[in-house]
Amino acid sequence: AQTVTQSQPEMSVQEAETVTLSCTYDTSESDYYLFWYKQPPSRQMILVIRQEAYKQQNATENRFSVNFQKAAKSFSLKISDSQLGDAAMYFCAYRGMDSNYQLIWGAGTKLIIKP
Amino acid sequence: SAVISQKPSRDICQRGTSLTIQCQVDSQVTMMFWYRQQPGQSLTLIATANQGSEATYESGFVIDKFPISRPNLTFSTLTVSNMSPEDSSIYLCSVEGTDLRGETQYFGPGTRLLVL
Repeated sequence: AQTVTQSQPEMSVQEAETVTLSCTYDTSESDYYLFWYKQPPSRQMILVIRQEAYKQQNATENRFSVNFQKAAKSFSLKISDSQLGDAAMYFCAYRGMDSNYQLIWGAGTKLIIKP
Repeated sequence: SAVISQKPSRDICQRGTSLTIQCQVDSQVTMMFWYRQQPGQSLTLIATANQGSEATYESGFVIDKFPISRPNLTFSTLTVSNMSPEDSSIYLCSVEGTDLRGETQYFGPGTRLLVL
């Protein structure tokens, strides 16, 4: 069975600095999707970034980028120029190609932004 | 993208009672998901609800405790039955959809439930 591991329960970063959140996963599938979701204190879960395993190029969305290492089964999220609004829980999630759209979730990392 | 609303946003209930949570989507979707989330914790999938078929429950969740309705492609309800304090949690619905980035899940704002 697939698993997703986020080993950092909490991270803090100074405003305007860069922070990297770690995520590793375990799967025997060769093709799949990986996601980073953000959940601010208001609870609305929103998608930050999405990566398809067959794409070698790392996904980027403005200040958010990933370092996808397929062989190492690693999918870290880099947030550049951190802003106070980035404070949230960040969840890494995995979805297999034939998984009936179900997501496998990591435990989450709480990101604190220091002004 | 899909816009999802949930009712109620929060509630305080007495043990032994039941609460029905509504999930409304602004577009037609095939698959809807119901999650439970303890504060500060990750999401646990309760069930997957497809329109026109019985909901599929995950291990540890049963229909008698969490009956789900899916009468059409834009609406679903989750009932938490015979509640106990252990049911205190945040309940989220989500739908599978597609945006410019591809397939993803969109989430409702959640229902915060406290059982006394």
